[in-house]
Amino acid sequence: RKEVEQDPGPFNVPEGATVAFNCTYSNSASQSFFWYRQDCRKEPKLLMSVYSSGNEDGRFTAQLNRASQYISLLIRDSKLSDSATYLCVVGRYSGGGADGLTFGKGTHLIIQP
Amino acid sequence: DAGVTQSPTHLIKTRGQQVTLRCSPKSGHDTVSWYQQALGQGPQFIFQYYEEEERQRGNFPDRFSGHQFPNYSSELNVNALLLGDSALYLCASSSLGQGYEQYFGPGTRLTVT
Repeated sequence: RKEVEQDPGPFNVPEGATVAFNCTYSNSASQSFFWYRQDCRKEPKLLMSVYSSGNEDGRFTAQLNRASQYISLLIRDSKLSDSATYLCVVGRYSGGGADGLTFGKGTHLIIQP
Repeated sequence: DAGVTQSPTHLIKTRGQQVTLRCSPKSGHDTVSWYQQALGQGPQFIFQYYEEEERQRGNFPDRFSGHQFPNYSSELNVNALLLGDSALYLCASSSLGQGYEQYFGPGTRLTVT
């Protein structure tokens, strides 16, 4: 079983719609959680960190369920510029610092006009 | 404030050759992590450097080695290149002990023929 699993999509969504992505992680020792966005042939960019209390940044809402080992991302009022691959990422902390991150394969989102 | 920089942007090598990739972290960051991203996959953690030492290593063979310099910049070396080493190599910088976020450079696209 992969450590971080995501539905690869693609998700084809009309502009203005709401879209939700989920991912699951297998290591219960994971301590940090993120969503990164990656445009074609570019580097991943941090979209948001994810906390158990849930967090919101504009049109984006992220949620973490530690009991179910499940992370979600909700995008409201989707824009054409939201088209990208969304990477679910988990990390651990050891020896006083953050360890290397574990990435899912990514979910490909296409916003259609 | 310069972000993470990497060089070269692209590189073409022949099987069996050796390659060195370079990374300069974001100002104020002291930790460098290297990732390999094959086409259609999420980035995979290679290793992490802090205080000029390899702090953590992912599941990569000894052909992959690295170095960190006193100014925190880092190199990734790959010996005896295989066709399967063709990928985007990403460097991420962070500040150990100050949060889990890692910020990525634009990557080096390596093609092995």
